Amino acid sequence: AQSVAQPEDQVNVAEGNPLTVKCTYSVSGNPYLFWYVQYPNRGLQFLLKYITGDNLVKGSYGFEAEFNKSQTSFHLKKPSALVSDSALYFCAVRSTISSGSARQLTFGSGTQLTVLP
Amino acid sequence: NAGVTQTPKFQVLKTGQSMTLQCAQDMNHNSMYWYRQDPGMGLRLIYYSASEGTTDKGEVPNGYNVSRLNKREFSLRLESAAPSQTSVYFCANRPLSDASTDTQYFGPGTRLTVL
Repeated sequence: AQSVAQPEDQVNVAEGNPLTVKCTYSVSGNPYLFWYVQYPNRGLQFLLKYITGDNLVKGSYGFEAEFNKSQTSFHLKKPSALVSDSALYFCAVRSTISSGSARQLTFGSGTQLTVLP
Repeated sequence: NAGVTQTPKFQVLKTGQSMTLQCAQDMNHNSMYWYRQDPGMGLRLIYYSASEGTTDKGEVPNGYNVSRLNKREFSLRLESAAPSQTSVYFCANRPLSDASTDTQYFGPGTRLTVL
C-alpha cells in the first residue's frame, strides 16, 4: 500500500520569508510525486511533479520541491513567501509499478499555509 | 474552454434521498475520477473511469454508483444518501499522454450536506 504523510496541519510564515511544507511518502518501487494547491472554494491545481532525474523540481508560482530518496521526502519550498500563497497544499504519490490500486494517486491530508503580511 | 465543470455547486439532502452529481469536461481527456474531501483526510478516490464505458472502484466506493456514458461526462449517484456522505466532491480528469504519471485536473467541487 502507498501512503503520504503531511505532518503539519498548519504552517504560518511571514511574507518575504522562506517557506517549507513537509511531505513524506511510502510506496512500493519508485515514486511519482506531486504537489497540488487548493484555494478557498476551488478545486485542486497542479503545482509540480517529480518523475525522475534532477532531485530539485521547479513548478508554478516560484515553488520548488526537493526529492530525497533516502529520507522518502518531497518537501515543498519557496524562497520568499507571498500573502497570495496562502492556501491548502496537498502532496500526492503513486508508484511507478502499474498494478491495480497502486496506479492511483494517494493524497496526504493537506497543510494549510498562511502567509502573514 | 471551461476545463472540468461540476453541477450543482451546493446541495442539501435529507437522509434517504437520492441525487446525481454531474461532471463534464471539454479537455478530451480519457480518464476521469471522483474524489471526496473531508477535513483532515485529504482526498479519497471513490470511483474512476480509465476510458469511455469503463469504471472501477476506488478506495471508498460504498454507497455510490457511477456512469461514464461518453467521453465528456462522468456522473456520481447517491442512491440513498446518509449523513456520512456529507463532504465536498471533486471530479478530475487526466490525459492519455500523462497516463504514466497521473497529473490530474480538477473541477471546482460540489459541497453536499446530508441531514
